Amino acid sequence: GIQVEQSPPDLILQEGANSTLRCNFSDSVNNLQWFHQNPWGQLINLFYIPSGTKQNGRLSATTVATERYSLLYISSSQTTDSGVYFCAYDYKLSFGAGTTVTVRA
Amino acid sequence: GAVVSQHPSRVICKSGTSVKIECRSLDFQATTMFWYRQFPKQSLMLMATSNEGSKATYEQGVEKDKFLINHASLTLSTLTVTSAHPEDSSFYICSGADRGVNTEAFFGQGTRLTVV
Repeated sequence: GIQVEQSPPDLILQEGANSTLRCNFSDSVNNLQWFHQNPWGQLINLFYIPSGTKQNGRLSATTVATERYSLLYISSSQTTDSGVYFCAYDYKLSFGAGTTVTVRA
Repeated sequence: GAVVSQHPSRVICKSGTSVKIECRSLDFQATTMFWYRQFPKQSLMLMATSNEGSKATYEQGVEKDKFLINHASLTLSTLTVTSAHPEDSSFYICSGADRGVNTEAFFGQGTRLTVV
């Protein structure tokens, strides 16, 4: 099966800092999505991004399908950005291991 | 985005009893629904995929007789944990997608099951 590597596994940020999260895939994937799981467990859709670049406020994402990776950018981070960020792919939405982000005031 | 409502959010049950978890798509038709399980500080593991009106497809290692999934309508899927044991305690999350229109999937709030 396809292997996905999410990096970094943990990230501690000072409020206001920028960061980049990454997912690398061992093979081509479809239906790539990014999610934020808040401390209560709710998964929040961030981006559906099988290819190209999208932006939504302080967040943006880029998927380069030919290079088999996707990036999530967080700019001017806020404490509410804390939680776990997952990339997920393919029809059955297989999930990466996640990046745990902690933003400190 | 589309809304998926999952209930209950928390449930405590005794060993040997059964628990039903509901997953409803409120503003779209979920032709496909997925059920996941998540242990503390781990990622989501897919348990099964269900298409409306069809039997669910279970992932390897998931007992279909223990985790009963019903997807009787385009807006409702249920997961019943039968004869629950303490090792079934976990966070269960459903998601729905309208694969005929948009391949983006949306998630319910999750159910934290504790079996005592």
